[in-house]
Amino acid sequence: DAMVIQNPRYQVTQFGKPVTLSCSQTLNHNVMYWYQQKSSQAPKLLFHYYDKDFNNEADTPDNFQSRRPNTSFCFLDIRSPGLGDAAMYLCATSRDLRGYTDTQYFGPGTRLTVL
Amino acid sequence: GENVEQHPSTLSVQEGDSAVIKCTYSDSASNYFPWYKQELGKRPQLIIDIRSNVGEKKDQRIAVTLNKTAKHFSLHITETQPEDSAVYFCAATPNFGNEKLTFGTGTRLTIIP
Repeated sequence: DAMVIQNPRYQVTQFGKPVTLSCSQTLNHNVMYWYQQKSSQAPKLLFHYYDKDFNNEADTPDNFQSRRPNTSFCFLDIRSPGLGDAAMYLCATSRDLRGYTDTQYFGPGTRLTVL
Repeated sequence: GENVEQHPSTLSVQEGDSAVIKCTYSDSASNYFPWYKQELGKRPQLIIDIRSNVGEKKDQRIAVTLNKTAKHFSLHITETQPEDSAVYFCAATPNFGNEKLTFGTGTRLTIIP
């Protein structure tokens, strides 16, 4: 009955080696978010898709990119991971009906280690 | 933009006692206030939320109160149990489309058996 699924749960990559994290959802929500969360900190929004519209946060590094090929899937691409990019990456979804903000549901996260 | 402050950053309470976590926000347009619980290594999970058309909401041992005039909202946990130990995040967002959640900095709650 998983609603927001993230793969893989754990990812190890080398410094500078591109990596892609995956998120899928069975809720048919129109909004999908990517957050970065470091130890003992609140989740930090990187970007989100409102339907097909991509919304980048002003302080998200260019090293982070995203793709949403359809309603159900969203990908986070880290082009050249640095040691500072080691973190938990959380995907979330919500139903947003332009005038009504609904709850965000989080996936289990992918823990990224950069060697 | 919105700014959410959360206090305290750490809180220890004896099992069975109550715990209160407080948040203040800056944007008077904010209209939706969820609370998330995050256990170590797990996802944030929504435990309760409140919208600005109500002042209080309760779900068993958990309650949230909202004071829009003062721009603050609080989480109350009564009869605390060891499984309540976690990090709790408050958040706020305006109630119109395509607006992001602004999170507080989190409160690490420890229940002492």
